[in-house]
Amino acid sequence: DAKTTQPPSMDCAEGRAANLPCNHSTISGNEYVYWYRQIHSQGPQYIIHGLKNNETNEMASLIITEDRKSSTLILPHATLRDTAVYYCIVRAEYGNKLVFGAGTILRVKS
Amino acid sequence: DGGITQSPKYLFRKEGQNVTLSCEQNLNHDAMYWYRQDPGQGLRLIYYSQIVNDFQKGDIAEGYSVSREKKESFPLTVTSAQKNPTAFYLCASNSRGGVNTEAFFGQGTRLTVV
Repeated sequence: DAKTTQPPSMDCAEGRAANLPCNHSTISGNEYVYWYRQIHSQGPQYIIHGLKNNETNEMASLIITEDRKSSTLILPHATLRDTAVYYCIVRAEYGNKLVFGAGTILRVKS
Repeated sequence: DGGITQSPKYLFRKEGQNVTLSCEQNLNHDAMYWYRQDPGQGLRLIYYSQIVNDFQKGDIAEGYSVSREKKESFPLTVTSAQKNPTAFYLCASNSRGGVNTEAFFGQGTRLTVV
């Protein structure tokens, strides 16, 4: 599985958009980009995933660059409850193990 | 409701004892995973299983053992050979293939060696 690089921490003002970047320059053509988040002392929660097109769901939007070497998770209106560690993972569609990096600590401040 | 359940939530063990952490899922997922998390750190993969009766070592398998006799269950044993077992342990499962392969996580077991 391709490795990912994320900034260790970010701050965001409550009500503003939080944009979390992820670099995955060695991503293969069959690998998807997944985002999870982990609120303190809980199991990680799935947010969104995509292959090459931008994706949006009720939680977030995922923007993947045309060369697929990087992506951005967007939380459109961050709330205090969005404070968590956000993990970007790349994984092939079939059978590969799920490997987490260090993630980005997002602190939403009022 | 479908989900993944870990038990117990908190576990205390005396040094030198083996202990088994339970993980059960009713999501009909083929793949299951065990992770270890230390304070302020990310998740590190201990073992994973893609199918019943088969499993592979992750990045930090030493001192741990697993079994996968049933699709629904993937217990993790922390043996006395694990030198620093105090940690937060997370179990996860997902389907092996298809478009929707998001992983579901249990709520974790916090193991403390006393």
